[in-house]
This record gives sequence, structure tokens and C-alpha cells, in this order.
Amino acid sequence: QVHLVESGGQLVKPGGSLRLSCAASGFTFSDHYMNWIRQAPGKGLEWVSFISPSSSHTSYADSVKGRFTISRDNAKNSLYLQMNSLRLEDTAVYYCARKGHGDYGDWWGQGTLVTVSS
Amino acid sequence: QSVLTQPPSVSGAPGQRVTISCTGSSSNIGAGQDVHWYQQLPGTAPKLLIYANINRPSGVPDRFSNSKSGTSASLAISGLQAEDEAVYYCQSYDNSLSGSWVFGGGTKLTVL
Repeated sequence: QVHLVESGGQLVKPGGSLRLSCAASGFTFSDHYMNWIRQAPGKGLEWVSFISPSSSHTSYADSVKGRFTISRDNAKNSLYLQMNSLRLEDTAVYYCARKGHGDYGDWWGQGTLVTVSS
Repeated sequence: QSVLTQPPSVSGAPGQRVTISCTGSSSNIGAGQDVHWYQQLPGTAPKLLIYANINRPSGVPDRFSNSKSGTSASLAISGLQAEDEAVYYCQSYDNSLSGSWVFGGGTKLTVL
């Protein structure tokens, strides 16, 4: 059974940094594209970033480009999101999601809450 | 503002059929990109409901179906049940936004 568990979310001040992690199990992690998607409190879903299986290809939403960096460690079955220069509007639950055979997330983690506040 | 447009809310009585629309543009749904739907129950993560326009993951009942035409798609839920009360999101890929999955704003389904 596919299992994705995010961690690392916490309260951080504007301008601060945070690193999120996503531990994957139940599938061959190194075979799959992985994504980060976020959901601000009471709002809809926003795609944040993806990374290819070998880390050779990454992409970011304009709202986070230049501030966030996605990475992975296939040996540890782990996905990461380094978040710098955090802003109030980055406050959200961050989900990691496995990309299915098409452009969709077939398995999602339970999410980790990032709160940016002074 | 979401790239895909959904109604904020819909409602229906148990046993009824409801539909939720999802309107995109020529750079996503209208460009032939697939539409996918997710169900988010209160306090939980989104769960894949329909992928690649017509496919249901294992365990999703056939009461859920999708149709797609032009720049729009429509999720239909028949035989409405109390446990269907949730927020539903449509999602596609946008050719004009590099690598980007785009979502609708979500539709809250209330079972009366």
C-alpha cells in the first residue's frame, strides 16, 4: 500500500526558512515523478512544484519560483521542499503527491501545516 | 483566482443525481488535456476520484462519472449518499504554464 507522510511544518516568521520532508513507502519511489501541492486555510488547491525520478527535471509555480527548491533522495525514499524567504501568503497545508501515469496525483500524503506569521 | 472555474456549491437529496461543472480554456481542457477529479472529505487530504477523464481508481463506485466537451468537463454523482458530502476539485494540465497542474476552486457538495 502506497504511503506518503509529510513532516516539518511549523510556525515561522516572515522571511524565514523551512524544510519539508515526505517519506514514501509501498512503491518504487525512484520510478515516479513527485509533486508538492498546497492548500491555504479554507482555500483551494495550488500546485507548487514537481521533480522527475532522477532529479534532472524540476518545475515551480511562479508564486514560489526562486524561493523554494524541490529535491529528493531516492536512497532514502524521501522528497523535500526547501522553503526560503517565506511570506504570509505561503501559509498552507503542504501535501506531497505521487504523479500517476498521467498529469494527476494518484496518492497524496496527509499534509503538514506551515504557518508564516510574525 | 483559479485557472479552472467551478461553482462554489451544489446540493441534492439522497438518491438524487447532481453535476459539478469545470470550465477551462484553450490552453488546458480545450487543448485536449485530460481532466481529473478529487474528493476532499472534511479534515482529510484530497483523494483521486476520476483520472484521465473517465477512469475510476479501484474502490471508487461507478456512481461517479465524468464527461468532457470543448473547454469544459462535468462530474456527475448519481444515487447521492450522505458520505458523498465533501469538496470536489477538478484538475488539468495547462500548456501555457510550465509543468503546471491547474485546479478548480472546489465545489462543496451538500447532501440535504
